[in-house]
Amino acid sequence: AQSVTQLDSQVPVFEEAPVELRCNYSSSVSVYLFWYVQYPNQGLQLLLKYLSGSTLVKGINGFEAEFNKSQTSFHLRKPSVHISDTAEYFCAVSVANTGNQFYFGTGTSLTVIP
Amino acid sequence: GAVVSQHPSRVICKSGTSVKIECRSLDFQATTMFWYRQFPKQSLMLMATSNEGSKATYEQGVEKDKFLINHASLTLSTLTVTSAHPEDSSFYICSALNFLVGDTEAFFGQGTRLTVV
Repeated sequence: AQSVTQLDSQVPVFEEAPVELRCNYSSSVSVYLFWYVQYPNQGLQLLLKYLSGSTLVKGINGFEAEFNKSQTSFHLRKPSVHISDTAEYFCAVSVANTGNQFYFGTGTSLTVIP
Repeated sequence: GAVVSQHPSRVICKSGTSVKIECRSLDFQATTMFWYRQFPKQSLMLMATSNEGSKATYEQGVEKDKFLINHASLTLSTLTVTSAHPEDSSFYICSALNFLVGDTEAFFGQGTRLTVV
């Protein structure tokens, strides 16, 4: 079975400061990894995904994440946050090549402070 | 990316009535659709997985007779909350992918806020 752990439920950060949102996963098989953002009362928008290849993945809105197989982590980073980045962020995994369901972490609420 | 449209975005219904939520893939054929439920400030909980033309697979603890899922075509899946009660009030989100063409990500609808009064 797969599981996802997001270690921080809430992350406050000042505007223009860097941020890292942590995600660890457990799986005995190959997985795809994703980060989604959710704004209030909206669905999920894909920020970035890791399927294979380069372990550093760049996404939209200036976000990037690094896949670390040995540490089973997929932390999300942004060098300088904006007020508009305030949202809920979800890490997710799916089993590779199965079209299987996605397993979500509990989410991290990012609040950017002016 | 592909577009998934969910309708309605908000619905208020009386206790005891049924509500249908539609999930449409607008520009691709969805072989698989997922239905999630999200409580305030919590993560998405998978309710069921539906494959076109077959019965949905429900997660443990989800009542299949209460949450009826129909995936009759490659572009439409519906979730019907039958005999709704206030505790069914929640945010429901669908997602879809086309496994046959090798989709590696699921595309999400914008969600439906259900309030049962």
